[in-house]
Amino acid sequence: GQNIDQPTEMTATEGAIVQINCTYQTSGFNGLFWYQQHAGEAPTFLSYNVLDGLEEKGRFSSFLSRSKGYSYLLLKELQMKDSASYLCAVRRRRGSTLGRLYFGRGTQLTVWP
Amino acid sequence: DGGITQSPKYLFRKEGQNVTLSCEQNLNHDAMYWYRQDPGQGLRLIYYSQIVNDFQKGDIAEGYSVSREKKESFPLTVTSAQKNPTAFYLCASSLAGTRGSNQPQHFGDGTRLSIL
Repeated sequence: GQNIDQPTEMTATEGAIVQINCTYQTSGFNGLFWYQQHAGEAPTFLSYNVLDGLEEKGRFSSFLSRSKGYSYLLLKELQMKDSASYLCAVRRRRGSTLGRLYFGRGTQLTVWP
Repeated sequence: DGGITQSPKYLFRKEGQNVTLSCEQNLNHDAMYWYRQDPGQGLRLIYYSQIVNDFQKGDIAEGYSVSREKKESFPLTVTSAQKNPTAFYLCASSLAGTRGSNQPQHFGDGTRLSIL
């Protein structure tokens, strides 16, 4: 498999900013995805990076550095509903196809009032 | 509305029994995937299919089987050879080829399988 590392747990308070890091080691890198998953529910797509730099989407931003094998998800103005697991997934090219995703174990974020 | 439907939501398996989890999508996606999620773990790929009548093993295919006879459907059978089947099973789909290069996988609501 691929080495995808992210912290197991993080906590923050409402209104704050939190950064969730993800490091990876892979050949044939073909994109990195962030998903949010509430307990017992399906993951929902948050962001996609394939080139270096920052992608901003409302309160959520995601950054990628391909040379460092590093990404982060930045959540601003935290709300209680942001308490969830955040999954980092790397896509690896397979021949001429897009390839499949490799998921990290997820970071469980708890937002306190 | 377009989406992915998994059924049933909860499933119980007896010893020595095969059970089949259903996954149907009406998103016109070429690729479909089955993942297993255990508590505190990420998603692990069981099988995936990029096109009808073709599928590949993922990282943990032993004890599972799939078929892809229709574009819309990708059922997963958990056989009696899978000795630890208790888990949350997620089905996903996506576009394939160049059309899917920046498109995410979309997930169903999952099936929770337990052993009786």
